[in-house]
Amino acid sequence: KNQVEQSPQSLIILEGKNCTLQCNYTVSPFSNLRWYKQDTGRGPVSLTIMTFSENTKSNGRYTATLDADTKQSSLHITASQLSDSASYICVVGRDDYKLSFGAGTTVTVRA
Amino acid sequence: KAGVTQTPRYLIKTRGQQVTLSCSPISGHRSVSWYQQTPGQGLQFLFEYFSETQRNKGNFPGRFSGRQFSNSRSEMNVSTLELGDSALYLCASRLGDYNEQFFGPGTRLTVL
Repeated sequence: KNQVEQSPQSLIILEGKNCTLQCNYTVSPFSNLRWYKQDTGRGPVSLTIMTFSENTKSNGRYTATLDADTKQSSLHITASQLSDSASYICVVGRDDYKLSFGAGTTVTVRA
Repeated sequence: KAGVTQTPRYLIKTRGQQVTLSCSPISGHRSVSWYQQTPGQGLQFLFEYFSETQRNKGNFPGRFSGRQFSNSRSEMNVSTLELGDSALYLCASRLGDYNEQFFGPGTRLTVL
């Protein structure tokens, strides 16, 4: 069973709308949580990295939250743009520097 | 500064052949990781090298191997290719264990 579960698997939103992606993990011992954006056919690009002590981090219109107690994270996209159409991957890092990857959420933004 | 580079970008091989992929990390980065990405499986971790030593390994058969050179450049080799090895192979480098990981553009391997 994957230790990092993302939901939904995919979603379609209208340009200008907001959306929230979820990531639940069971990885232990927890070190950090990362969100990546991957455009089709390209390598993932880091959006945010959060450690145990951080519960919110923003990168432009992207805001990630972390609840280390419930082992949940979310990525909120504000005022979506067509360029936000991509796969968003949640990655959890352990203390032994191993990384566990979620399967990703595919976001499609339509005009 | 230059990002992570991977060569070649595209490759077509036939079953049974072997292939070598190359990755040049960002200057100063000593950690290089390799991933396989397929539409149905997402990103699957292959292995990580740090200062020329394999530090972590994923659940892939022994046909998948790698190495890292003293200049941190890394190569990945797949022997006796199978149809299921068709995928995007991504390389990523990072400065340290808790630093951001930077991905290359990937090598698209097609096995016929």
